[in-house]
Amino acid sequence: AQRVTQPEKLLSVFKGAPVELKCNYSYSGSPELFWYVQYSRQRLQLLLRHISRESIKGFTADLNKGETSFHLKKPFAQEEDSAMYYCALNQIQGAQKLVFGQGTRLTINP
Amino acid sequence: KAGVTQTPRYLIKTRGQQVTLSCSPISGHRSVSWYQQTPGQGLQFLFEYFSETQRNKGNFPGRFSGRQFSNSRSEMNVSTLELGDSALYLCASSLRGVGSYEQYFGPGTRLTVT
Repeated sequence: AQRVTQPEKLLSVFKGAPVELKCNYSYSGSPELFWYVQYSRQRLQLLLRHISRESIKGFTADLNKGETSFHLKKPFAQEEDSAMYYCALNQIQGAQKLVFGQGTRLTINP
Repeated sequence: KAGVTQTPRYLIKTRGQQVTLSCSPISGHRSVSWYQQTPGQGLQFLFEYFSETQRNKGNFPGRFSGRQFSNSRSEMNVSTLELGDSALYLCASSLRGVGSYEQYFGPGTRLTVT
């Protein structure tokens, strides 16, 4: 079954330190992966999409098919990065749907 | 442009009742998807409507149903409510549909079943 796993429910790092939010997936086809973010009192919003291979707010994510991972990274964390982060997989085999991970709450300490 | 709106924002219902939630997509968006968010199960896909037709469906019982109107507004109905239906219900709209990077989420409706 298609599955997205975010092993860390909580992650706390200091401002200026590197941050990496882990995401692993299981999918039999060619995956399409996303990172969504939800800041406090705001709506869930798309952060980045692996196909676009872009950097948003300093975050990047590389799809590693060998390790079935799509980790989100930022070299220098900022306090405004504190939020809930969700990794999501676009399942296109069978009923198309977004499969979300359980989310990681990232806290950046000053 | 105006974002996705959901009404009502909060609801309290009793077990066994039914409930209808509404979602108004961004103007021009033809796809509306619904998600259930709970602390235990996280975000789970319910179904997607595109141009008034249900196009995709998640693994939820038939008590969960929906529809979409010609103006793309969508409603979700849950019949015979159970305590486990307490959750935040999110809808998202997009031009092209589920998985499209243009998905925009609403603020959600918080449903409490007592």
